[in-house]
Amino acid sequence: AQSVTQLGSHVSVSEGALVLLRCNYSSSVPPYLFWYVQYPNQGLQLLLKYTSAATLVKGINGFEAEFKKSETSFHLTKPSAHMSDAAEYFCAVTPANDMRFGAGTRLTVKP
Amino acid sequence: ETGVTQTPRHLVMGMTNKKSLKCEQHLGHNAMYWYKQSAKKPLELMFVYNFKEQTENNSVPSRFSPECPNSSHLFLHLHTLQPEDSALYLCASSATGTGGTGELFFGEGSRLTVL
Repeated sequence: AQSVTQLGSHVSVSEGALVLLRCNYSSSVPPYLFWYVQYPNQGLQLLLKYTSAATLVKGINGFEAEFKKSETSFHLTKPSAHMSDAAEYFCAVTPANDMRFGAGTRLTVKP
Repeated sequence: ETGVTQTPRHLVMGMTNKKSLKCEQHLGHNAMYWYKQSAKKPLELMFVYNFKEQTENNSVPSRFSPECPNSSHLFLHLHTLQPEDSALYLCASSATGTGGTGELFFGEGSRLTVL
């Protein structure tokens, strides 16, 4: 069975600082991996996805993630945080029809 | 039209009421999902429909009753709910079949408060 673990339920960074949100996965088959973002009282919006092509995936809003099979990781990064990045971020893994989500990481951005 | 539309966005109901949540997707997908999101808890998958057939029911209490009349519409009928059922209910859809990645497209959610 597939699963993901997000390390850190809360991350706080200063505006302009590096954002690093950690995700490790467990999968018995080659995984598809996703990062979603959720703003207050809204649904989840896809940030980026890894589907076995390039290991470095670029997404919306300047975010990117690198698939590292040897470390079973798919960490999300952004070089410079913006106030508008404050939200909850979810890592997810699937093969189809069975997406498993992490518990989420709440990102706070300080002025 | 946005991809996945949920109505109502907010709902307040008493424990003896009967209400329904509606979800509609305009993406041509053949799978639809209901998720429950409670404060400080992970996303909980409730129901999955694939080509209008229910393929998963994650031990959801019978006071939640899903209905999928076609691949574009999904309902969640609610009756005799409990205060602990208060949550954000998210609908999602995906394309299935060979080559699919399982990517989910979410609606904005329906915020339910049970008094």
